[in-house]
Amino acid sequence: DTEVTQTPKHLVMGMTNKKSLKCEQHMGHRAMYWYKQKAKKPPELMFVYSYEKLSINESVPSRFSPECPNSSLLNLHLHALQPEDSALYLCASSQSTGGLGYTFGSGTRLTVV
Amino acid sequence: KNEVEQSPQNLTAQEGEFITINCSYSVGISALHWLQQHPGGGIVSLFMLSSGKKKHGRLIATINIQEKHSSLHITASHPRDSAVYICAVMNTGNQFYFGTGTSLTVIP
Repeated sequence: DTEVTQTPKHLVMGMTNKKSLKCEQHMGHRAMYWYKQKAKKPPELMFVYSYEKLSINESVPSRFSPECPNSSLLNLHLHALQPEDSALYLCASSQSTGGLGYTFGSGTRLTVV
Repeated sequence: KNEVEQSPQNLTAQEGEFITINCSYSVGISALHWLQQHPGGGIVSLFMLSSGKKKHGRLIATINIQEKHSSLHITASHPRDSAVYICAVMNTGNQFYFGTGTSLTVIP
């Protein structure tokens, strides 16, 4: 299995909702990443987990809360989002934070209404 | 100034043409990635390079470490190659920098 699987593919949520994005990989990768991508812009790094520990938080608002329950799974919990948070959320993984085997998921298209 | 610069930003080609996309970077790197993203979709990693040249099907990627420059070539382009191609570099501190992408349209 050489894929990063993200669910759901599309999500519409209200500003008072709580939802979660899920990312899963079974390649034995020990680094996992969350990116946010707005239309026609490159991805922006949000969080990096290395060996299930949060190693980088790029000053992301607390309404985004990452969680890494085990080495194969990465969640992004969403609460009280704003319409400007609407974007494509991409998950990626690599063998380590050195970047070997970097693999992206197909993303979750999030719309906040 | 962006750490990673790509050119051109937009490119339209006729089917069958040879295409080149360029990437220049200003940081010391451990690896350079060429990525492909179809409209509305996720990102696929095409190549990871730290030196020399790699080929996969009709795609060729080269890197010149001394000149801090990489190129992605597509031979015999096809409409299904239409996508955004992104150059991304991992610096020696394991930070990932993305270029702004090149939007390629191949016309039948």
